[in-house]
Amino acid sequence: SAVISQKPSRDICQRGTSLTIQCQVDSQVTMMFWYRQQPGQSLTLIATANQGSEATYESGFVIDKFPISRPNLTFSTLTVSNMSPEDSSIYLCSVEDPPWREQYFGPGTRLTVT
Amino acid sequence: QQQVKQSPQSLIVQKGGISIINCAYENTAFDYFPWYQQFPGKGPALLIAIRPDVSEKKEGRFTISFNKSAKQFSLHIMDSQPGDSATYFCAASMDTGRRALTFGSGTRLQVQP
Repeated sequence: SAVISQKPSRDICQRGTSLTIQCQVDSQVTMMFWYRQQPGQSLTLIATANQGSEATYESGFVIDKFPISRPNLTFSTLTVSNMSPEDSSIYLCSVEDPPWREQYFGPGTRLTVT
Repeated sequence: QQQVKQSPQSLIVQKGGISIINCAYENTAFDYFPWYQQFPGKGPALLIAIRPDVSEKKEGRFTISFNKSAKQFSLHIMDSQPGDSATYFCAASMDTGRRALTFGSGTRLQVQP
């Protein structure tokens, strides 16, 4: 299975600032996803990030707030822009591992906005 | 139609007992149904998954039962152990179109010694 790392593992940020979260995979993968998990809640998809194309965002998430880069098949970044306390969540990246479409998750980035 | 409904919200089981978590879906285009286990402070870990061409899949103490006509699937944890205490999420995805996972709301399992 793919091994995924995320940086930072946690951060405390001030309102109005931005944070970029990195996701690194140990193998080349086509499909990567970014999820948000609010405290005590389930996972909600933010966007799908495929290499070589623009990220596809879910309803309620916009590129200006959550810009995503996918420069190659092993790396992606998610930026949380102009943060407010409502953005305090765990942000998780995941990858789809062919051919059986299993999805594996990184350890997450725990963000607190004050 | 994208929802996956999961129950119960929480579950307390005695050590050695059977834990059962249920999920139901509406979208018949879903064709992949994984279960994830999440410990506090960790990312979800893939536990076991099933596709609609089989009605049951077993891996060790974990079994998925799948009922295509009822659009339901469940996770059974046999001989539950305190180390199984975690939050469990069911999920579903489809081969075409939206490949991302749609998650259930989660079940917090506590196995008492």
